[in-house]
Amino acid sequence: EPEVTQTPSHQVTQMGQEVILRCVPISNHLYFYWYRQILGQKVEFLVSFYNNEISEKSEIFDDQFSVERPDGSNFTLKIRSTKLEDSAMYFCASMRDPNSPLHFGNGTRLTVT
Amino acid sequence: SQKIEQNSEALNIQEGKTATLTCNYTNYSPAYLQWYRQDPGRGPVFLLLIRENEKEKRKERLKVTFDTTLKQSLFHITASQPADSATYLCALHPGSFTDKLIFGTGTRLQVFP
Repeated sequence: EPEVTQTPSHQVTQMGQEVILRCVPISNHLYFYWYRQILGQKVEFLVSFYNNEISEKSEIFDDQFSVERPDGSNFTLKIRSTKLEDSAMYFCASMRDPNSPLHFGNGTRLTVT
Repeated sequence: SQKIEQNSEALNIQEGKTATLTCNYTNYSPAYLQWYRQDPGRGPVFLLLIRENEKEKRKERLKVTFDTTLKQSLFHITASQPADSATYLCALHPGSFTDKLIFGTGTRLQVFP
């Protein structure tokens, strides 16, 4: 069964550094998402992306965050200048259409020191 | 304010019993509601979707109900097994103006032999 893949599985970075988290969504899906989960807390929506543009973003998704779909397969989340509070599990997800389930990757654990 | 609440942080039951998990929401009018399973360090995995015009949905040992008057969904696992131990998340699609899913805090189910 096709799946969403994320790399790296774990990223350690120093405060102030830029990180790029990468995702390959399921190939025939059209809607793409980033969620994050701080340890022990709920899965929080960050941003949705459709038709090569952001369709919605949360309050968390400030100017330090950006997303890109540079080619037909990859979907990336960039954090320009990481903060300690950005430490979390970041999940990429994709969906075929708005009435179908979300398919999640297994996440990138980001640790900011 | 808008809230999705899963009433138990943790639920412990004996193998073979039925587990019942509750999801309540306020100030949403979701078109549908979904349930996901999340294992430690992994992304959520879709289990069931129920639409606002459906009262009940079943899949093998799983059953979901959706009461739009009570603003509540119940998730049942019958003949529970230790392998069912995981965190279960409810998620709703807030409305036609958005394609994101909003997640509840989750209920950690532990099935002991």
